[in-house]
Amino acid sequence: AQRVTQPEKLLSVFKGAPVELKCNYSYSGSPELFWYVQYSRQRLQLLLRHISRESIKGFTADLNKGETSFHLKKPFAQEEDSAMYYCALGGNNRLAFGKGNQVVVIP
Amino acid sequence: NAGVTQTPKFQVLKTGQSMTLQCAQDMNHNSMYWYRQDPGMGLRLIYYSASEGTTDKGEVPNGYNVSRLNKREFSLRLESAAPSQTSVYFCASSVGLGFGNEQFFGPGTRLTVL
Repeated sequence: AQRVTQPEKLLSVFKGAPVELKCNYSYSGSPELFWYVQYSRQRLQLLLRHISRESIKGFTADLNKGETSFHLKKPFAQEEDSAMYYCALGGNNRLAFGKGNQVVVIP
Repeated sequence: NAGVTQTPKFQVLKTGQSMTLQCAQDMNHNSMYWYRQDPGMGLRLIYYSASEGTTDKGEVPNGYNVSRLNKREFSLRLESAAPSQTSVYFCASSVGLGFGNEQFFGPGTRLTVL
């Protein structure tokens, strides 16, 4: 069975401070991992995926198979980063989402 | 391209009423999905369609039916709405089924069942 855990529901950070959103997964196969983001009044959209190994909007995420984690990081938070973030695991026949993290960046 | 479109944007129903949520995509995607989003629960998959002519149950299918009308359209029907179905419903599509494929989401339908 696929399972994604995002432990913190709400994360408040000051502008310029580092942000780290934790994501742990459970899956017996080879995982495909994603971070999706939903800004206020916008639709859910892909932020990044582990396979591309790229930085998007200053965010990076590294797949750690030993710790079964895919944490999202950004060294300096910006106000426009305030949003809902979902970690997702692709496997079997579906994409399983975590419960999401609400990030609030305080000016 | 409009991407994924959903109608209606908002709907209020009384318990026991029925309705159909419409979804269409213009990206020539093969696979389509219906999710519900509830506070504290994230997105949960209701039904999906791997390709035209096929549909399968997801994580929370009870109380819903779907129809893949053609490659573009995938509708979700509530036959007898219940307050527990109050939620925001998202349709999504992808080039293929799963996993390494990016899913593209519609704007959502906010449904309230009284």
